Amino acid sequence: KQEVTQIPAALSVPEGENLVLNCSFTDSAIYNLQWFRQDPGKGLTSLLLIQSSQREQTSGRLNASLDKSSGRSTLYIAASQPGDSATYLCAVTYNNNDMRFGAGTRLTVKP
Amino acid sequence: ETGVTQSPTHLIKTRGQQVTLRCSSQSGHNTVSWYQQALGQGPQFIFQYYREEENGRGNFPPRFSGLQFPNYSSELNVNALELDDSALYLCASTPPGGETQYFGPGTRLLVL
Repeated sequence: KQEVTQIPAALSVPEGENLVLNCSFTDSAIYNLQWFRQDPGKGLTSLLLIQSSQREQTSGRLNASLDKSSGRSTLYIAASQPGDSATYLCAVTYNNNDMRFGAGTRLTVKP
Repeated sequence: ETGVTQSPTHLIKTRGQQVTLRCSSQSGHNTVSWYQQALGQGPQFIFQYYREEENGRGNFPPRFSGLQFPNYSSELNVNALELDDSALYLCASTPPGGETQYFGPGTRLLVL
C-alpha cells in the first residue's frame, strides 16, 4: 500500500529558528516528490520538486532532501518567519500519475 | 497570466443530489488533475485528464466522473452525493512537458 506519513503533525517555534519537517513513504518506486504549502482554506503552492534521481533541491531559505532507498524526505526551513506559518504537505507521484499526499505538518512561527 | 480558477467557491447540497464543479486551467496547461481534501487530511487523487482523455484515476467510485474540454478546462461530476463527500475539491493544472502542478483555490462542498 502506498502511504505517506508526515511527522510532526503540528509544530510551534519562535521566530528565527531553523526547523526540519519529515516525510516518509512506504513505496520507494516514486517518480518524484514535492513539498507544498497550504494556507488555511486555500489551495496548494508548490515549494520544491525533487526528481527520483535527485538528492536535494534548494529555494531561498528552503532545502528539501530525498533518500529514496529509505523512503524519506526532509524539508529544512532556515531562519523561520511568522509568514512561514502554514500547513506543509509532502506528496509523492508514481508512474500512473497518482500523487499521494501526507496529512501535513501545521507550522506556527511565533513573533 | 491568470492562474487556475475554480467555481463555485462554496456549495451546499443534500444527500442523493448531483453536483458539478468547474475548473479553468492556467493558460497553455493541457493536463488537469482533481483532488478531494477532507478536513485535516491531505488531498486524495481523484483523476487526471490530459488532452480530453482520462489519464489516471485514484481509488474513487464511478459516481465520480470528469470531463475535459478542448480549451482544457474541466468538470468534476459527483452523483448520488453522500455525507462523506463533504470536502474541499482541488483542481490543479500542469503545463506541457512539466511536472509541477499549479493548484486552484478549491471548491468547498458541504453535503447535508
